[in-house]
Amino acid sequence: GNSVTQMEGPVTLSEEAFLTINCTYTATGYPSLFWYVQYPGEGLQLLLKATKADDKGSNKGFEATYRKETTSFHLEKGSVQVSDSAVYFCALSRYNQGGKLIFGQGTELSVKP
Amino acid sequence: NAGVTQTPKFQVLKTGQSMTLQCAQDMNHEYMSWYRQDPGMGLRLIHYSVGAGITDQGEVPNGYNVSRSTTEDFPLRLLSAAPSQTSVYFCGSGSTDTQYFGPGTRLTVL
Repeated sequence: GNSVTQMEGPVTLSEEAFLTINCTYTATGYPSLFWYVQYPGEGLQLLLKATKADDKGSNKGFEATYRKETTSFHLEKGSVQVSDSAVYFCALSRYNQGGKLIFGQGTELSVKP
Repeated sequence: NAGVTQTPKFQVLKTGQSMTLQCAQDMNHEYMSWYRQDPGMGLRLIHYSVGAGITDQGEVPNGYNVSRSTTEDFPLRLLSAAPSQTSVYFCGSGSTDTQYFGPGTRLTVL
């Protein structure tokens, strides 16, 4: 079946450090891939997405590249800020699946000044 | 344009009580869905809908009912609440491959 696996957290970084959060997936066909972010006490916001192999999604300094050969969609940011502290969720959906998302378990990021 | 709205934000129920979580969207999206979020488990799909009058079960449907009489609204009903339904509930709305979420409802069942 389809599934998403994320690196376990919490991840603690100092401000301006480089961030990588690993995400790998299992799916048949060609899923769309997403990163959602949940700031403390808030709902989920779509951070970025990629819909086909080798696509790069980017937003707010975050990037992720759809790698079909390694079934991965790792999230990266060159210089994190305290305001990036949140829980990050990797997710996939199959085409025409009516918005059915399959989520990873989430990775908590804490950025210290 | 309010996006996806959910009410209430917080709710405490006693075991056996019933209630309805409301969800509305003003983006004319065909697809709507309900997820629950539990610690360490990400979000799991409860029910979803691909249009008015059409609903189907997700991964964890037991104990929940839905209906979709209009494009805008997708209420989630708990007929007899159980402590295992203590969770944060998110409603999603979107197009073919992108879902947007409401702010969530935090439900506690005692």
